Amino acid sequence: GQNIDQPTEMTATEGAIVQINCTYQTSGFNGLFWYQQHAGEAPTFLSYNVLDGLEEKGRFSSFLSRSKGYSYLLLKELQMKDSASYLCAVVDSNYQLIWGAGTKLIIKP
Amino acid sequence: DAMVIQNPRYQVTQFGKPVTLSCSQTLNHNVMYWYQQKSSQAPKLLFHYYDKDFNNEADTPDNFQSRRPNTSFCFLDIRSPGLGDAAMYLCATSRERQGTDTQYFGPGTRLTVL
Repeated sequence: GQNIDQPTEMTATEGAIVQINCTYQTSGFNGLFWYQQHAGEAPTFLSYNVLDGLEEKGRFSSFLSRSKGYSYLLLKELQMKDSASYLCAVVDSNYQLIWGAGTKLIIKP
Repeated sequence: DAMVIQNPRYQVTQFGKPVTLSCSQTLNHNVMYWYQQKSSQAPKLLFHYYDKDFNNEADTPDNFQSRRPNTSFCFLDIRSPGLGDAAMYLCATSRERQGTDTQYFGPGTRLTVL
């Protein structure tokens, strides 16, 4: 079966750095998305990785290792508004999007 | 601004009473999706339209139907809502059907079933 694993919840301090991991076992791989979802709101696009390596976009960076079936989202200089769930989603060999359940990130002052 | 709009944002219905949720988009995207998302769970794809071509997920209950009268609008009909159908319903669009296309989501409709 297809599986996406993310930690259920993480806590971090304002101003700090946090890394949210995602591991996947899917039938094929055609890319990985990260979405941010604030409570009660819709997911919004953060990043898309299809090649190995780190992609940086402001305070957010996303890393992919296809050989390890692993990705992480790195958030720097955390702000209170970063409190949200972060969803990992993988595009499989049939170009279907497989979603993880998300990691709820709690930021404390 | 180009966007995805969902109405209403909050919907309350009674057990067994039909309900319709609506979605509209100004992005002129070919594909429109309906997802169901329950608390702390992954979004679950119910179905999608590629233009007028309807694609139902194998495990979507018959209780859920959809209509896309034109490019801009898509509706989700729940014929006889049960307590287990209480959830957030998300509409999304993408330019093409391939999963590698970024999906753009509306704000969602939170459905309560009494």
